[in-house]
Amino acid sequence: GAGVSQSPRYKVAKRGQDVALRCDPISGHVSLFWYQQALGQGPEFLTYFQNEAQLDKSGLPSDRFFAERPEGSVSTLKIQRTQQEDSAVYLCASSLYRDPRFSTQYFGPGTRLTVL
Amino acid sequence: DAKTTQPPSMDCAEGRAANLPCNHSTISGNEYVYWYRQIHSQGPQYIIHGLKNNETNEMASLIITEDRKSSTLILPHATLRDTAVYYCIVRALSGSARQLTFGSGTQLTVLP
Repeated sequence: GAGVSQSPRYKVAKRGQDVALRCDPISGHVSLFWYQQALGQGPEFLTYFQNEAQLDKSGLPSDRFFAERPEGSVSTLKIQRTQQEDSAVYLCASSLYRDPRFSTQYFGPGTRLTVL
Repeated sequence: DAKTTQPPSMDCAEGRAANLPCNHSTISGNEYVYWYRQIHSQGPQYIIHGLKNNETNEMASLIITEDRKSSTLILPHATLRDTAVYYCIVRALSGSARQLTFGSGTQLTVLP
């Protein structure tokens, strides 16, 4: 029973390193989201894809953050020159329909990024 | 989307009903109330949603007041596995925003 999977589950990076976080959505799901969750806070929106098109990246905190979904399935969130404030859990979610407001968002377990 | 207010924490005895309140006094007529929960070290999980009628599924019941300014999520027989942060989210099914907007939620602790 394939849900949303993310890898790695844990990542430790030295400040200044680049990292890449992977999301495998549920097969056939059109919409894909990335969220960032700081310790003790609720998830916050980063970016949204409909198939391979990135329709909303208004939540990306800086130009060091970049996301892609080149074939409309797997997505990668890349963070360049990591900073300590990037330490958080990064959550991926997918939903079936083109308009995700009409279908449930299913979340992966997240990747916990720690920047030293 | 309308803002929601939830208590930061609640306790409930195992086997008893857990009633989690949410205030959304600025809710608009086209906005739905959604509930998600997040168990420790997992991603959020959808529970239930509704517009103005009460809703029930295999996980919970959602009671929305007649003026829609508040709602209550009811877990009828709480178990230890229901310990989680519960998020009440109000969202419209129109407009440009596609994402969920989470607040801080309520930490529910089910006690043995």
